[in-house]
Amino acid sequence: GDSVTQMEGPVTLSEEAFLTINCTYTATGYPSLFWYVQYPGEGLQLLLKATKADDKGSNKGFEATYRKETTSFHLEKGSVQVSDSAVYFCALSGSDQKLVFGQGTRLTINP
Amino acid sequence: DTAVSQTPKYLVTQMGNDKSIKCEQNLGHDTMYWYKQDSKKFLKIMFSYNNKELIINETVPNRFSPKSPDKAHLNLHINSLELGDSAVYFCASRRTSGSGTDTQYFGPGTRLTVL
Repeated sequence: GDSVTQMEGPVTLSEEAFLTINCTYTATGYPSLFWYVQYPGEGLQLLLKATKADDKGSNKGFEATYRKETTSFHLEKGSVQVSDSAVYFCALSGSDQKLVFGQGTRLTINP
Repeated sequence: DTAVSQTPKYLVTQMGNDKSIKCEQNLGHDTMYWYKQDSKKFLKIMFSYNNKELIINETVPNRFSPKSPDKAHLNLHINSLELGDSAVYFCASRRTSGSGTDTQYFGPGTRLTVL
């Protein structure tokens, strides 16, 4: 079945550092890919998405590019802030429209 | 103007009790979901309804019974609660026509603690 594998956490960075959270997937067909973010004590918010190969999703300074050849959707941000501290989930949605999530990566940004 | 709302936000109960969690969306979506997030933050789909019809039913104990009185509501009833049911339960919804049909919008979650 479909699956998503994310970089193991937790990840701790200093403010203004460069962030990469790796995500790879296995799926039949052409899934849509998502990054969701869960801030402490809150629900899941859609951060960005991409629906086809080579699409780049972006929001709040975060970016991820749908790479079909490497089945990857890595999340990047050039300069992180303390307010970016959260748990980040990579997910895919296939033809059955079920969201399949990675295990989540906890990110902590220190001032 | 909450898009997807859940009640209650916190639920603490004893083993063996029966409890319900309610979900409502005001986005005009026609498909709704329940997800379970365990203590390690792992998220897994449980159920999905489209226009009040069950379309996804993952391997979930039959103590869990979803009910959709209309397409804006999807409730989750849990019988004979067990310690392992302790988790955060998220409701989500999406549209199935027009643009953005692949995007699900999540509620704030219900943290269930079974003692």
